[in-house]
Amino acid sequence: AQSVAQPEDQVNVAEGNPLTVKCTYSVSGNPYLFWYVQYPNRGLQFLLKYITGDNLVKGSYGFEAEFNKSQTSFHLKKPSALVSDSALYFCAVRDVRYSTLTFGKGTMLLVSP
Amino acid sequence: DAGVIQSPRHEVTEMGQEVTLRCKPISGHDYLFWYRQTMMRGLELLIYFNNNVPIDDSGMPEDRFSAKMPNASFSTLKIQPSEPRDSAVYFCASSTRTFYNEQFFGPGTRLTVL
Repeated sequence: AQSVAQPEDQVNVAEGNPLTVKCTYSVSGNPYLFWYVQYPNRGLQFLLKYITGDNLVKGSYGFEAEFNKSQTSFHLKKPSALVSDSALYFCAVRDVRYSTLTFGKGTMLLVSP
Repeated sequence: DAGVIQSPRHEVTEMGQEVTLRCKPISGHDYLFWYRQTMMRGLELLIYFNNNVPIDDSGMPEDRFSAKMPNASFSTLKIQPSEPRDSAVYFCASSTRTFYNEQFFGPGTRLTVL
């Protein structure tokens, strides 16, 4: 089975400060990992993915994520948060043996001015 | 490209009525997914298709739910009869491959069953 945990329901950060949204996963084989963002009344939008290679992955809107195999984590980061980054963020995992993604429950990011 | 198109965007119906949600995937995408999002359960995969063929429907909650994909550019998710607990946002997503290509999501249909 494959699973994802996003331990924080909400993350609050001030504009200009760095942000981290946490994600840990569980798979039996090698993972493919994804981050998506959802703005109010919209569908999920792809941010970035890790398949193989460099552990640090860069994606859209200045976001990046670090794959840590020993800690089974894939935390989303941004050096300087913007108010417009406020949204719901989902981590997702796919075990190479399966064909579907499993999504976490989501973390609400609130960036204050 | 217009992206994944879903209709209607909002649906309000009464318990017992039939509901049909529609999805047009991105042209050229050969995988199509139906998800349901609720506060309690988060985002759940209901069913997915490859080349118009249903591959895994283990996420379909009950026999009241059914999905079809008659051609590469159209899919429906039907609930008959609908119940209040079916109230949720239903998303359709498409991709070119499931393995590591990202899925593109539609804007969703917000279903309210009274």
